Amino acid sequence: SYVLTQPPSVSVAPGQTARVSCGGTNIGSRSVHWYQQKPGQAPVLVVYDDTDRPSGIPERFSGSNSGNTATLTINRVEAGDEADYYCQVWDTSDHYVFGTGTKVTVL
Amino acid sequence: QVTLKESGPVLVKPTETLTLTCTVSGFSLSNARMGVSWIRQPPGKALEWLAHIFSIDEKSYSASLKSRLTISMDTSKSQVVLIMTNMDPGDTATYYCARINGDYSLVFDSWGQGTLVTVSS
Repeated sequence: SYVLTQPPSVSVAPGQTARVSCGGTNIGSRSVHWYQQKPGQAPVLVVYDDTDRPSGIPERFSGSNSGNTATLTINRVEAGDEADYYCQVWDTSDHYVFGTGTKVTVL
Repeated sequence: QVTLKESGPVLVKPTETLTLTCTVSGFSLSNARMGVSWIRQPPGKALEWLAHIFSIDEKSYSASLKSRLTISMDTSKSQVVLIMTNMDPGDTATYYCARINGDYSLVFDSWGQGTLVTVSS
């Protein structure tokens, strides 16, 4: 089975840059999507196909993907960005695979 | 505006069968490029994909739960139904339905609010 590994937590001061990694074997060959989930709410898509943003998502959110690691970058972090973030890919065997999730804390 | 809404029981007993309904609006279930998935999240844990369905009668299930799941679609009612048999306390979770956008690498671009299902006697 295909596994996506994320750090359990990332802490960042307001105005700084947060980077959330998502590790998987040769993940660079797959399209990676990122979801933001605030407490008590449903996930929201923030980045799809590695680097694209849905309408309404701030440009502060960006993604990259190469080799064995995909990364979600949040620039100029705000208090409202505090949430859990999940990466996700499609796998021909496991179908939809989610990462283990990362809690981003704004200090 | 695309919306999805889950409905179903909040409490089921062990060994019982769970039936959840996802009612959608803002898009057509007859659109072959758009599907619906069910995804669950146990309290404090990560997301887990369960099943998907597309109008072309394409259905797929999580390998670990395949024997217990059935997904179906009623396009006239704009509903997708998930049936899960032999419920166990370990199935306690928030269950979400989400739209799969086939135009963009099968991404979940819209989600329902979720419904918490507790399995307990």
